[in-house]
Amino acid sequence: GNSVTQMEGPVTLSEEAFLTINCTYTATGYPSLFWYVQYPGEGLQLLLKATKADDKGSNKGFEATYRKETTSFHLEKGSVQVSDSAVYFCALSDAGGTSYGKLTFGQGTILTVHP
Amino acid sequence: DAGVTQSPTHLIKTRGQQVTLRCSPKSGHDTVSWYQQALGQGPQFIFQYYEEEERQRGNFPDRFSGHQFPNYSSELNVNALLLGDSALYLCASSRQGTQETQYFGPGTRLLVL
Repeated sequence: GNSVTQMEGPVTLSEEAFLTINCTYTATGYPSLFWYVQYPGEGLQLLLKATKADDKGSNKGFEATYRKETTSFHLEKGSVQVSDSAVYFCALSDAGGTSYGKLTFGQGTILTVHP
Repeated sequence: DAGVTQSPTHLIKTRGQQVTLRCSPKSGHDTVSWYQQALGQGPQFIFQYYEEEERQRGNFPDRFSGHQFPNYSSELNVNALLLGDSALYLCASSRQGTQETQYFGPGTRLLVL
């Protein structure tokens, strides 16, 4: 079955540091890939997505590239802010990005950014 | 434009009781999915409703059931609650036949004592 593996956390950085959160996946077919963010006490917000190989998703300074050859979708940001502190989830959709595809999530990575 | 809404926000039940959680999808959305998020874990897919029928189901027992109404809102019912059912229950909505992503509500936090 489908699965998503995220790097072990938590991750603690100083403001303006470079961020990488690793994500690899196992899936049949050609899934769509997502990064969601969860702030304390809230639900999930879509951060970015990519629907096919070599696509780059980007939003709010965050980027991730769909790498089919390495089955990876690593999240990066060049300069983190304190407000980026949250839990980040990598996920895949098993229906090629169509809206009926269930999402399979990784275990989440806690990011804490200090001033 | 209201996003996905869920009620109640918090709930405390005892073992063996039954609970009903409610979800209203984002305007224009017709598909509702439910997820369970245990503390410190990623969300796990419970099931999805479209056209008032359960279309997909994850690896959850029959104690978990649902319903979708003609206005696309949905309910999640859990019978015979166990301590392990304590979690954040997330509802997500989407629109069938589009590439649109699922939008999540704020969740209902259920504590079973």
